Amino acid sequence: GQQLNQSPQSMFIQEGEDVSMNCTSSSIFNTWLWYKQDPGEGPVLLIALYKAGELTSNGRLTAQFGITRKDSFLNISASIPSDVGIYFCAGPLISGGSNYKLTFGKGTLLTVNP
Amino acid sequence: GAVVSQHPSRVICKSGTSVKIECRSLDFQATTMFWYRQFPKQSLMLMATSNEGSKATYEQGVEKDKFLINHASLTLSTLTVTSAHPEDSSFYICSAENRGSNQPQHFGDGTRLSIL
Repeated sequence: GQQLNQSPQSMFIQEGEDVSMNCTSSSIFNTWLWYKQDPGEGPVLLIALYKAGELTSNGRLTAQFGITRKDSFLNISASIPSDVGIYFCAGPLISGGSNYKLTFGKGTLLTVNP
Repeated sequence: GAVVSQHPSRVICKSGTSVKIECRSLDFQATTMFWYRQFPKQSLMLMATSNEGSKATYEQGVEKDKFLINHASLTLSTLTVTSAHPEDSSFYICSAENRGSNQPQHFGDGTRLSIL
């Protein structure tokens, strides 16, 4: 089945630094989603991308939908301690329409040292 | 924004007990809800797709008699872990899709299930 390869697996950075993580797939995706999960909670949607080449920002977060539709990256600028958590990329297994199932990357664990 | 409520947030019970977890969409109708399982330090694994008014669709390797899913209304899906054993201990998360919008799935806060 479709798999998402997410890297890096973990990152340890100093407060104020910028962060970049990415996801790649051997299959084409029509939608790329980025979620953040805090310990003991469910994932929260950060950014949704629907168009190849699309670059979307949400505050200090920026994500891009790769032009080949097989990759996406998420950047966090000027990191702060509350950015700590696990970041997941996700995409629909069945593209388009409703009732689609999501497949998730393995996550990037971000630690921010104050 | 869309809110999904999951209850309970934490359950600790003895082996052999059946446990029911509820997933509610609070401000939208969800014809489809999804149940995931997450082991420590791992990603979310889809268990089943819950369809309102019809049988759930289970992913390969997930026992439907072990994990009973009922989606009786447009705002509620339940997952029952029957005769739970320690190996069923995990973090269970539901999500709901808002029909009529193009919004991605919204997730509940998860249920930490611990079987002694």
